[in-house]
Amino acid sequence: AQSVTQPDIHITVSEGASLELRCNYSYGATPYLFWYVQSPGQGLQLLLKYFSGDTLVQGIKGFEAEFKRSQSSFNLRKPSVHWSDAAEYFCAVGALSGGSYIPTFGRGTSLIVHP
Amino acid sequence: GAGVSQSPSNKVTEKGKDVELRCDPISGHTALYWYRQRLGQGLEFLIYFQGNSAPDKSGLPSDRFSAERTGESVSTLTIQRTQQEDSAVYLCASSALRGFLSGGDYEQYFGPGTRLTVT
Repeated sequence: AQSVTQPDIHITVSEGASLELRCNYSYGATPYLFWYVQSPGQGLQLLLKYFSGDTLVQGIKGFEAEFKRSQSSFNLRKPSVHWSDAAEYFCAVGALSGGSYIPTFGRGTSLIVHP
Repeated sequence: GAGVSQSPSNKVTEKGKDVELRCDPISGHTALYWYRQRLGQGLEFLIYFQGNSAPDKSGLPSDRFSAERTGESVSTLTIQRTQQEDSAVYLCASSALRGFLSGGDYEQYFGPGTRLTVT
């Protein structure tokens, strides 16, 4: 079974600073990888996804993530954070197993942005 | 087009009462998922439907929880004899589960959730 680790529960950055949120996964092959954002009181919105091909993927809102097979990581980055980026970020891993597809989510990282 | 909708958006109920939470997935999406999110926590998988069948019910926390899906569309999550620990946001997601040859779409589309408070 797959698993996901988001080692940082909270991350605090200043507006305009760069951001990197960590995500490590455990799975025997290359899974499907996702980053979602959840603003307060909202559902989850997909930021970006990786299935195959170029290991650097671009998403919405200026986010990007890089798949590193050797490190089993899929870290999320943004060069300059805006105050509106304050939210909860979830990394997810999905894989087909026995005809079923049930993604596993990390515990989430709460991003706090200081003005 | 329309996204995933859930109703009610908020539900306050007394301990011991039964509640029904509804999810309307995106039309044509074969897979439907229910998750529970307690305050400040991540997503806890409850149940997954492929069509109208639930191949994986392993996440349901107790026999007080049940879910069904009809017409490969709407799903209802029922919690009987609610307890205070059931208080959480219940999220529904749907997915087309198309393979690579069909454009590759394993993305989950989430509804806004139902906030359940058990008093």
